[in-house]
Amino acid sequence: GAGVSQSPSNKVTEKGKDVELRCDPISGHTALYWYRQSLGQGLEFLIYFQGNSAPDKSGLPSDRFSAERTGGSVSTLTIQRTQQEDSAVYLCASSFARTANTEAFFGQGTRLTVV
Amino acid sequence: QKEVEQNSGPLSVPEGAIASLNCTYSDRVSQSFFWYRQYSGKSPELIMSIYSNGDKEDGRFTAQLNKASQYVSLLIRDSQPSDSATYLCAVGRDNYGQNFVFGPGTRLSVLP
Repeated sequence: GAGVSQSPSNKVTEKGKDVELRCDPISGHTALYWYRQSLGQGLEFLIYFQGNSAPDKSGLPSDRFSAERTGGSVSTLTIQRTQQEDSAVYLCASSFARTANTEAFFGQGTRLTVV
Repeated sequence: QKEVEQNSGPLSVPEGAIASLNCTYSDRVSQSFFWYRQYSGKSPELIMSIYSNGDKEDGRFTAQLNKASQYVSLLIRDSQPSDSATYLCAVGRDNYGQNFVFGPGTRLSVLP
């Protein structure tokens, strides 16, 4: 597609429920990233997928968080047993691995509110 | 030491002035560097990328990189009120120049 697409744009869920956030990267981009941004804070790295390599999961805050990338394209971030501190904007980005012009482009984000 | 550091600001400059934003990074082998602008409530948008030592100019924006000092900066000439935003410095950590880590951002306010 023309840009990184995320869905849903907004999600309100009850504490303890599971949620799935979807990211559709720019076509052909080999790398995909998930970041989290709490209100007034910076970008917190969550996970990085690069081609067929094992993902860098070092940023996932707990085992309630997991992510998959199917067929090297669409990614789903799953948060199990949501907590109020999970409320944030979840941002997805994608980029193309090459020797230059490796810039990442962001989707519009999913605003998650846990009540 | 955090991987990427920036002054949080706010940095206030009068309209028409030059705004200077600074960023330092800890991983000496980093090869790719980026500046993003983020308006309140919006996603980050790419302004500049720089990969080699020296200056890179694009319109009113100039990125400067000094790998020996592990320092990258962004200059905004003729600052406009519409430039008021948070500016994020990002550094690519892996062999592809990716796996980006972001600094905390500097909030810039351009006063009319």
